[in-house]
Amino acid sequence: QKEVEQNSGPLSVPEGAIASLNCTYSDRVSQSFFWYRQYSGKSPELIMSIYSNGDKEDGRFTAQLNKASQYVSLLIRDSQPSDSATYLCAVTAYSGTASKLTFGTGTRLQVTL
Amino acid sequence: EAGVVQSPRYKIIEKKQPVAFWCNPISGHNTLYWYLQNLGQGPELLIRYENEEAVDDSQLPKDRFSAERLKGVDSTLKIQPAELGDSAVYLCASSIRGLAPYNEQFFGPGTRLTVL
Repeated sequence: QKEVEQNSGPLSVPEGAIASLNCTYSDRVSQSFFWYRQYSGKSPELIMSIYSNGDKEDGRFTAQLNKASQYVSLLIRDSQPSDSATYLCAVTAYSGTASKLTFGTGTRLQVTL
Repeated sequence: EAGVVQSPRYKIIEKKQPVAFWCNPISGHNTLYWYLQNLGQGPELLIRYENEEAVDDSQLPKDRFSAERLKGVDSTLKIQPAELGDSAVYLCASSIRGLAPYNEQFFGPGTRLTVL
């Protein structure tokens, strides 16, 4: 079982719709959760971080975390063509003096006109 | 605030040749990371530095890869000799610290390596 799992997509949504991106993780001690956006040929860009159960909103983006279900999601409201990219879920687990950020393989989002 | 700086952006070499990548982290960030990203995959950690100390290099192939961060600021990652399978994007990232729960990592533009 992969440590961080995402559907590779592509997820296709029409402009103006809500895009819902999902991620599950296997390590129950995970404490920090991040969403990165990566345009083709570019490096990952941090867009959201969430550390406690519930929702966190930032502009058109909402991150949702459910530690009991080991599930984190990203909602993008009013999707724009410029949102078309790969979205990487990343999870950090801490054990003693070690910490490691583990990435999923990403979900490719296509926003259509 | 300047972001993470990496050079070169692209590098094409013949197999068995050496190659080096340079990274300068965001000012004030004590923790520096080197990642490797293959096409269609998420970044995978190669090595993490806390200041000048390599605190996690378990995923670094030490027979051919080496890294240094002598003064606790910029860092160099070297491959010698390069193999065809090393073709990938090498990403550098930095964070204020590595162990706090809120260690948000910021990535540089990456170096795309092609080994022929």
